[in-house]
Amino acid sequence: DSGVTQTPKHLITATGQRVTLRCSPRSGDLSVYWYQQSLDQGLQFLIQYYNGEERAKGNILERFSAQQFPDLHSELNLSSLELGDSALYFCASSADLKVSTDTQYFGPGTRLTVL
Amino acid sequence: GNSVTQMEGPVTLSEEAFLTINCTYTATGYPSLFWYVQYPGEGLQLLLKATKADDKGSNKGFEATYRKETTSFHLEKGSVQVSDSAVYFCAPPRGDKLIFGTGTRLQVFP
Repeated sequence: DSGVTQTPKHLITATGQRVTLRCSPRSGDLSVYWYQQSLDQGLQFLIQYYNGEERAKGNILERFSAQQFPDLHSELNLSSLELGDSALYFCASSADLKVSTDTQYFGPGTRLTVL
Repeated sequence: GNSVTQMEGPVTLSEEAFLTINCTYTATGYPSLFWYVQYPGEGLQLLLKATKADDKGSNKGFEATYRKETTSFHLEKGSVQVSDSAVYFCAPPRGDKLIFGTGTRLQVFP
């Protein structure tokens, strides 16, 4: 158990809809990362928050947004969903914001299926 | 920027065989290097890391040595078990993010 929790575990929805994925980092961790894992693209970094502020952006679509709240939990919002958004979405946390040295702890993921 | 080349899978081995998964990287400076593992149905977890050149990371019988002269961080294990079946990711940092790619799937058969 990494200490990172994600809800829900599974989500099935239709094209055009909007969903929210939730992540609670390990106790004391200030950084939260979101990743998308699909069969063809592998694990893609989406976005990082540190202590409530956006710190780094990866291949995140404009239809996607995220935020980190004062209690450090984070939400990833996916809107105008398309079939291609079906994937596993992982949240990870680390103590600090030094990606080059910090260990990232991953949650179990949310499997999103868009029908 | 930094990048990684990791051998494609799947790698299929019999139990107790020797494992090598190659990873070479390009990097600015000498960042820490990481191997993460993803067991079936789970999120990724850190397997081992090395924080400087010539450092050896080790965990659960796996080892990887940070070799700056060959810019490599190959993962090795002397005797694999069925329970080692998973996807392995070599992850060097690139600026403010880790580069994971598609990983290498290892399948170990009894």
